[in-house]
Amino acid sequence: ETGVTQSPTHLIKTRGQQVTLRCSSQSGHNTVSWYQQALGQGPQFIFQYYREEENGRGNFPPRFSGLQFPNYSSELNVNALELDDSALYLCASSNGPAVNTEAFFGQGTRLTVV
Amino acid sequence: AQKVTQAQTEISVVEKEDVTLDCVYETRDTTYYLFWYKQPPSGELVFLIRRNSFDEQNEISGRYSWNFQKSTSSFNFTITASQVVDSAVYFCALRAPEGYQKVTFGTGTKLQVIP
Repeated sequence: ETGVTQSPTHLIKTRGQQVTLRCSSQSGHNTVSWYQQALGQGPQFIFQYYREEENGRGNFPPRFSGLQFPNYSSELNVNALELDDSALYLCASSNGPAVNTEAFFGQGTRLTVV
Repeated sequence: AQKVTQAQTEISVVEKEDVTLDCVYETRDTTYYLFWYKQPPSGELVFLIRRNSFDEQNEISGRYSWNFQKSTSSFNFTITASQVVDSAVYFCALRAPEGYQKVTFGTGTKLQVIP
């Protein structure tokens, strides 16, 4: 196990609702990245938080937002859920945002929007 | 722009056979990192290997080996004497120094090892 924990593991929401997913980073890690993995696809980068600030974002609309807390845990919030938001959401933690630092992934939250 | 292509969608092999998973990448950066991850049904991405763009040495780790060739932009992964536990989806990924850890993944290759 990597020490990165995500909650909940599964979630069902209705279109138009809002959802919050949580990630506890590995001890000593100050950077968290979030990914969306649709069924049968590779993970897509959503954004990254480093020391409580967003320092990179992929091609996702503003209704995808996040937070990082002083203990470096993180939340991913998605507003106005759409059916296409159904996916596995993965978070990864690392000790810094540099390209050569290793990232460790959690087991993900599987979100189903109906 | 970065791109990772894994042309093999699904592969089935009989246990103890060798299998090679292909990965071709595109990037304009001269410094970058390549990765392979394994994703079992539980969903967690398991790190297998990291290679930087300046190190073209091939690597062997137990039953796993990797062949990195910059000339063809390929980073192929071979499992020798496959086992049922190797059944999973395997992702090749590319990370370039964009100031944050954006990793570009391929679409994955689903490997099924039949006993």
